[in-house]
Amino acid sequence: AQSVTQLGSHVSVSEGALVLLRCNYSSSVPPYLFWYVQYPNQGLQLLLKYTSAATLVKGINGFEAEFKKSETSFHLTKPSAHMSDAAEYFCAVSSSGGYQKVTFGTGTKLQVIP
Amino acid sequence: DVKVTQSSRYLVKRTGEKVFLECVQDMDHENMFWYRQDPGLGLRLIYFSYDVKMKEKGDIPEGYSVSREKKERFSLILESASTNQTSMYLCASSPPPGQVMSGANVLTFGAGSRLTVL
Repeated sequence: AQSVTQLGSHVSVSEGALVLLRCNYSSSVPPYLFWYVQYPNQGLQLLLKYTSAATLVKGINGFEAEFKKSETSFHLTKPSAHMSDAAEYFCAVSSSGGYQKVTFGTGTKLQVIP
Repeated sequence: DVKVTQSSRYLVKRTGEKVFLECVQDMDHENMFWYRQDPGLGLRLIYFSYDVKMKEKGDIPEGYSVSREKKERFSLILESASTNQTSMYLCASSPPPGQVMSGANVLTFGAGSRLTVL
């Protein structure tokens, strides 16, 4: 079984401040991990993915995430928030073998305050 | 770029009506998925298909069925809509992991269909 827990359904940061969105996962096999972003009235799009090649993963729009096996975490960060980063962010996990069903977390809405 | 198109962005239906949600992808992907998205619950998998005429139940299949007669099209069917099926429905597709260099199942999503059942 696999699952994802996102801590904080809403996060507010000031423009220019550090963005930190938390994600912890549970998986019985080595996982693949993803962050997706959803802008208002749109579908989800991939921000970045971890597939065991490197523990620090860089994605689009200046976001990055670090895989920490000992903490079962995959937190998303960005050094300096922009207004355009306001969106909902979803962490997701799939197994690295078999069919690879993707399980999503409950999402974190990021508000950026000018 | 892969495009996943959901035919209806907004639908309003009455309780008991049969509802069809259509999804088409243009990148020859084998895998297709239907999720529903509800506030505070994230995305939950309803059904998925890894080949034409093949389907597998996801986490919440009750009250839904699917049809995949052609590779590019995956339909979600609500046989008798109920108010608790009011939700945002998201379709997604992906190539089989063997076709992706990293091996990871990266999903491409449609824009969503917001269904209201009165």
